[in-house]
Amino acid sequence: DAKTTQPNSMESNEEEPVHLPCNHSTISGTDYIHWYRQLPSQGPEYVIHGLTSNVNNRMASLAIAEDRKSSTLILHRATLRDAAVYYCILRRAGGTSYGKLTFGQGTILTVHP
Amino acid sequence: DAGVTQSPTHLIKTRGQQVTLRCSPKSGHDTVSWYQQALGQGPQFIFQYYEEEERQRGNFPDRFSGHQFPNYSSELNVNALLLGDSALYLCASSLGIADTQYFGPGTRLTVL
Repeated sequence: DAKTTQPNSMESNEEEPVHLPCNHSTISGTDYIHWYRQLPSQGPEYVIHGLTSNVNNRMASLAIAEDRKSSTLILHRATLRDAAVYYCILRRAGGTSYGKLTFGQGTILTVHP
Repeated sequence: DAGVTQSPTHLIKTRGQQVTLRCSPKSGHDTVSWYQQALGQGPQFIFQYYEEEERQRGNFPDRFSGHQFPNYSSELNVNALLLGDSALYLCASSLGIADTQYFGPGTRLTVL
């Protein structure tokens, strides 16, 4: 499985944008980039995913580099409820392991009031 | 619309015992995946069930087994519990093997 690299932690102030980076230099052409977040004492929550083009939904935006070796999850206006561990995951479309999610350590996001 | 539900919420067992954890998928979903999350770590994939069969398995010993029922709900069984099995056990459901997975709140297992 291709690996991802994320900073261990990041901090933000409430109502400011947050850019969470993820490096995935060994990504293959069939790997989708998924983001999940996990709030304290809860299960992981799906945030967004994409393949090549930038994606937007009600929770966040996903910006994917042209060479797909990196991506950035963008929270447009952080709130205290966005404080969580954010996981960047590569999920292969097809093959023997495409059903599972392989989580790394993630980025702990702290949001200050 | 109910999301993924898991029971029980918390469980305490002693070494050598057996445990069964239960999961009901989100309405309309037919695939269930199980994950183990040790304290301070990301979730680790255990196995995935679709059409009542184990479709994929992670690097877990045979002490970990599962079942999926015709109504798509699932059980995770762990035999001969070890102290190292203490973790949060997460269930995720999806529509098909490759679709987006949605997680339940987890079952916290403590082995003494």
